[in-house]
Amino acid sequence: DQQVKQNSPSLSVQEGRISILNCDYTNSMFDYFLWYKKYPAEGPTFLISISSIKDKNEDGRFTVFLNKSAKHLSLHIVPSQPGDSAVYFCAAREIQGAQKLVFGQGTRLTINP
Amino acid sequence: GAGVSQTPSNKVTEKGKYVELRCDPISGHTALYWYRQSLGQGPEFLIYFQGTGAADDSGLPNDRFFAVRPEGSVSTLKIQRTERGDSAVYLCASSLRRGGLNEQFFGPGTRLTVL
Repeated sequence: DQQVKQNSPSLSVQEGRISILNCDYTNSMFDYFLWYKKYPAEGPTFLISISSIKDKNEDGRFTVFLNKSAKHLSLHIVPSQPGDSAVYFCAAREIQGAQKLVFGQGTRLTINP
Repeated sequence: GAGVSQTPSNKVTEKGKYVELRCDPISGHTALYWYRQSLGQGPEFLIYFQGTGAADDSGLPNDRFFAVRPEGSVSTLKIQRTERGDSAVYLCASSLRRGGLNEQFFGPGTRLTVL
């Protein structure tokens, strides 16, 4: 019963183009959705978030879109750069209690020169 | 460095042994989380501390796993009678609890291998 799903294990994009990473969730008891970026042998690093009451948040080259009716969010990176190559995790934060993060399985993004 | 640190970075042990994994959170962060990441999966929640107390340990898989945070700073995750299925990267995160997003900052993790 995976509450947060990333159905694409990998994605390959040409440098300069747009990268779109997708995430679906099943539980409505989340107040924030977050994207983390992870390099090998390092911990996940926070990238961008969106509140459940918003539908878009933009930070430089990164934009996250939230479609609550479809329980779907996406991360857009434009233009993609070689340094963006990493594993990206979608995470949802539970509203109550510990505010723990529920993560998807991750998508490995490769930016080709 | 002011980030979350974890020791050791790698731990290889034999089935049945006891291990301790250490986490040093960011100074002043009252909230501390342990997650476990198995191969090909995202991190999964294990336990949450607010101060010294374990406020939510619902993610601990069984009673072989235990964690402490005696002084409200450093935390130790303890695994008894390790099994091969315990092999994973164990991640620690810390955050302030002041309302809003309360971003969780992660350490580099400890890679545990049980032979």
